[in-house]
Amino acid sequence: GQQLNQSPQSMFIQEGEDVSMNCTSSSIFNTWLWYKQDPGEGPVLLIALYKAGELTSNGRLTAQFGITRKDSFLNISASIPSDVGIYFCAGQYQGAQKLVFGQGTRLTINP
Amino acid sequence: DAGITQSPRYKITETGRQVTLMCHQTWSHSYMFWYRQDLGHGLRLIYYSAAADITDKGEVPDGYVVSRSKTENFPLTLESATRSQTSVYFCASSERNTGELFFGEGSRLTVL
Repeated sequence: GQQLNQSPQSMFIQEGEDVSMNCTSSSIFNTWLWYKQDPGEGPVLLIALYKAGELTSNGRLTAQFGITRKDSFLNISASIPSDVGIYFCAGQYQGAQKLVFGQGTRLTINP
Repeated sequence: DAGITQSPRYKITETGRQVTLMCHQTWSHSYMFWYRQDLGHGLRLIYYSAAADITDKGEVPDGYVVSRSKTENFPLTLESATRSQTSVYFCASSERNTGELFFGEGSRLTVL
């Protein structure tokens, strides 16, 4: 089935550093979303993007919907320990009822 | 309590047994989904439902059965469990078809 290529697969950073991760697809999506999963919990929606070129912020998080509609990125500024977890991108085709998820980026922060 | 709840949170069963994972949401969301999460595969859609009595297959439906007789409930049944179905299962709901999902806390299933 359709796959999203999410990178990097894992990141090990120091507290206070900025983080960047991205997702690419061979297909065009109508919606891009970013979710975060804390250990032992279900994913939680961070940011939803609905328009090509859209740049949206949520606190220290910033995400962009690529102009080609085939990619998206997520930035986290000044990382803190509670940012630890797995970040998933997800895309939705126009009119579709289901999402396609990336493989996830596991973020580890050294204090 | 409001929200989306899954039960049981942990289940150990044997190969060949029938297992049902329950999902209940209190928001009256139209859409409900079942995903499984495995290392190296991320989240894969098993089944989804757009409304009561409407269900459809996702990416990996084989070996699973769902029903949705009421809007708030969406049980997932493994008719004859196999070891390959050892996984963490997540239920999710959405009010509209926007991709904005609310996930439950997950059910960890081990098939021996």
